Amino acid sequence: DQQVKQNSPSLSVQEGRISILNCDYTNSMFDYFLWYKKYPAEGPTFLISISSIKDKNEDGRFTVFLNKSAKHLSLHIVPSQPGDSAVYFCAAGLLYSGAGSYQLTFGKGTKLSVIP
Amino acid sequence: SAVISQKPSRDICQRGTSLTIQCQVDSQVTMMFWYRQQPGQSLTLIATANQGSEATYESGFVIDKFPISRPNLTFSTLTVSNMSPEDSSIYLCSVRQGYGTDTQYFGPGTRLTVL
Repeated sequence: DQQVKQNSPSLSVQEGRISILNCDYTNSMFDYFLWYKKYPAEGPTFLISISSIKDKNEDGRFTVFLNKSAKHLSLHIVPSQPGDSAVYFCAAGLLYSGAGSYQLTFGKGTKLSVIP
Repeated sequence: SAVISQKPSRDICQRGTSLTIQCQVDSQVTMMFWYRQQPGQSLTLIATANQGSEATYESGFVIDKFPISRPNLTFSTLTVSNMSPEDSSIYLCSVRQGYGTDTQYFGPGTRLTVL
């Protein structure tokens, strides 16, 4: 049972345009969410996070939106640059719920290609 | 952020042998984890490495197959024992600097191929 789903395995976007990466989750207990970027032959790099008490978090060109009622989050990259081409992983966890588990659950990733 | 290094970066091993992967962090961290990423799959948590005590394994992973050590707050090892081709994966060390922090950092990974 996949608790975090990234339904688009790949996405192509023109340089300068907006990239929107989507992520859905099934466990309503998740209380924080993260996005990671991964280049080939490297480990995932933390990009941005959001806790469940917010619906938006912004950091430069990256914005994450959280819709708790829909159990959906998205990462917006504006403007997209060729260097953004990578695999993006969505992850969810239980930090504030008191469940005592610090495990992150990851989606399968979306490969973003930004075309010059 | 924490800087994490892993050794080896990659290896090709024969079936039935064992490989120990090392993870070194440049600062003391509260929590250390080991993940696996099989081809085309998401990152899967193998275990949480506990300092001075046995690691906490996730469902589907056992100590005999993946023994883990964590002698201090900056270092951990993962051994992949009695390897088979199904163990071919990227193995990633990951750390969290405090219980109250939400950000988790990853090492560069060890790409293992088992023939």
